[in-house]
Amino acid sequence: EAGVTQFPSHSVIEKGQTVTLRCDPISGHDNLYWYRRVMGKEIKFLLHFVKESKQDESGMPNNRFLAERTGGTYSTLKVQPAELEDSGVYFCASSQSPGRGYTFGSGTRLTVV
Amino acid sequence: GENVEQHPSTLSVQEGDSAVIKCTYSDSASNYFPWYKQELGKRPQLIIDIRSNVGEKKDQRIAVTLNKTAKHFSLHITETQPEDSAVYFCAAKPDYGQNFVFGPGTRLSVLP
Repeated sequence: EAGVTQFPSHSVIEKGQTVTLRCDPISGHDNLYWYRRVMGKEIKFLLHFVKESKQDESGMPNNRFLAERTGGTYSTLKVQPAELEDSGVYFCASSQSPGRGYTFGSGTRLTVV
Repeated sequence: GENVEQHPSTLSVQEGDSAVIKCTYSDSASNYFPWYKQELGKRPQLIIDIRSNVGEKKDQRIAVTLNKTAKHFSLHITETQPEDSAVYFCAAKPDYGQNFVFGPGTRLSVLP
C-alpha cells in the first residue's frame, strides 16, 4: 500500500510569508494527525482529524496555524504569517484505528528565515 | 496531561553490544506504548509496541519491557549493528485520548 505522503519535503520562506503543507494519508485511514518537531526536541502533537472533523486541536500553538481536511481525504496545514519559531519538521501520520501505532509521512522541513 | 521523559538523550555503543533506552510516563491511564525509529532524513517508523496488560514483548533483536507500577518502559536492542543507528522515540497513549505523547528522543550511535 502507498504510505503517507507529504508535500513539500522542504520549504524555506521568509518571516511573514504564508506556507501550506499537504498530507495524503494512507487510503482508508480515517485518523489523520499532525505533529511537529522543533529544534531537535520531542515530537509534539498539533491536531487530530477523524475523517473531515477536528477531533482534537489542543496542540495547535496559535491562530496562525490552520488545518483543514475537506472531504476527509488529504489535509493541509497553513501557517500564516510564519514566524521564526515555526521552523521545524512537520510530520503527518495516519491510522486506521486510533488505538494503534501510526504510519508517519517523511515530514516537511520548514525553515523560516 | 501525560508527560513522557526519555533517557539517555544520546547513546553510543560498540557493534555487538546491547543498548537500553528508558522512558517514564506520568499518567497512569496510559495503556499503549509504541517505539519509533527515525533514521537520518527518514520518517519515524514503528518498530515495536506494548500494551499495558503485557509486561514484556520481544521481536528478534528488540524487546520492550513495561512496569506499570513504576510507570516506566524500556527498549532493549541486543547484538547492535551499525544500521541500528538512529533516533529512537518512545510514546505513551492515554486511554482517554487519541494522540500520542512522545519522549524527546534518544540518538543511538552504533560504532563499528
